Amino acid sequence: SAVISQKPSRDICQRGTSLTIQCQVDSQVTMMFWYRQQPGQSLTLIATANQGSEATYESGFVIDKFPISRPNLTFSTLTVSNMSPEDSSIYLCSVEAVGQSSYEQYFGPGTRLTVT
Amino acid sequence: SQQGEEDPQALSIQEGENATMNCSYKTSINNLQWYRQNSGRGLVHLILIRSNEREKHSGRLRVTLDTSKKSSSLLITASRAADTASYFCATALPIYNQGGKLIFGQGTELSVKP
Repeated sequence: SAVISQKPSRDICQRGTSLTIQCQVDSQVTMMFWYRQQPGQSLTLIATANQGSEATYESGFVIDKFPISRPNLTFSTLTVSNMSPEDSSIYLCSVEAVGQSSYEQYFGPGTRLTVT
Repeated sequence: SQQGEEDPQALSIQEGENATMNCSYKTSINNLQWYRQNSGRGLVHLILIRSNEREKHSGRLRVTLDTSKKSSSLLITASRAADTASYFCATALPIYNQGGKLIFGQGTELSVKP
């Protein structure tokens, strides 16, 4: 399985500001994803981070609000822009590891964001 | 909308008992994966079962998949207090020609009392 780290692990931000979350993987991976987990809720996919091209966003998420970069096969960033208290969530990146014709996804430790 | 629905939403058992969690989904899948999350931390991958498999074991975990009923179950045998966590099922929908993005169920909150 891949080892995934995220920075920062947590942050408290003021509304109207932006925060960039980093995700680093210890090996090259094809597929990277960003998820959001609102308080007491399950995970919702924000977007697929594509290396060398624009991210693919899910319904309800837009690039202006959640710009994503994927400069190489081991690193990605998610920015939460113009934050409001509703953006308070845990943000998690995940990677897909291929093994024996199956595709397991492994998650980073998450970034806990509180917007005041 | 969420693909998966899990039941029960919460389960409280005594140490040593077995815990069974169920997951239902709506569309065709590549595979189904189970995760554990402790107190809002990162997700720990437990087990993946492919759409052409019916049962899989890993230690004290047993997962079944019934694609005709679009349902899966996770059984934890001889539970321990350390198993206390939230458990999520996630279905992988095909994108491109490999793997898939995950759609998560609402989760089951398991409490194992010593």
